[in-house]
Amino acid sequence: EVQLVESGGGLVQPGRSLRLSCAASGFTFDDYAMHWVRQAPGKGLEWVSGISWNSGSIGYADSVKGRFTISRDNAKNSLYLQMNSLRAEDTALYYCAKGAMLDYYSNFDYWGQGTLVTVSS
Amino acid sequence: QSVLTQPPSASGTPGQRVTISCSGSSSNIGSNTVNWYQQLPGTAPKLLIYSNNQRPSGVPDRFSGSKSGTSASLAISGLQSEDEADYYCAAWDDSLNGPHWVFGGGTKLTVL
Repeated sequence: EVQLVESGGGLVQPGRSLRLSCAASGFTFDDYAMHWVRQAPGKGLEWVSGISWNSGSIGYADSVKGRFTISRDNAKNSLYLQMNSLRAEDTALYYCAKGAMLDYYSNFDYWGQGTLVTVSS
Repeated sequence: QSVLTQPPSASGTPGQRVTISCSGSSSNIGSNTVNWYQQLPGTAPKLLIYSNNQRPSGVPDRFSGSKSGTSASLAISGLQSEDEADYYCAAWDDSLNGPHWVFGGGTKLTVL
């Protein structure tokens, strides 16, 4: 059974940093791309970033480009999101999602339960 | 403002057939496949339809998807109370600014 468990969320002041983690199990982690997708309170889904199976291809939404960095450790079956210069508009539930294939242009077929990030002074 | 356009709400009575539309452009739906996600209240999204019209195992055949040009649709037949949820379309966008994934704003389905 595919399991994705996010952690690292919390309350952080504007301008500060936070690192999210996603622990994956139930599938061969290094055979698939991975993504971060967020959902602001009461709002819709927004793709944040994606990374290919070997970290060779990475993409970001314009809203986070230059501030967020996605990475993965295939030896630890883990996905990460380093978030710097956080803004109030980054407040959201952050989901880790598994890609359906090697590259991050493949759709998301499994999702974690999310970790909440609140940016507020 | 979402790149893909969905109606904010839809409704139907049990047993009815409901359709939800998703409109995009040549850089997303027009040149790539569409996926649909179901988000039940208080839960994470779940893949419902991929590659325009394919159902993952376990998804009832009451759910179907289609695509034509720069638009796509999700149809739910034999509507059931447990279908009450938010539905999102998504597609890869071949933007010149850098390819990325785009979502619709979501459609809240109410079963009357």
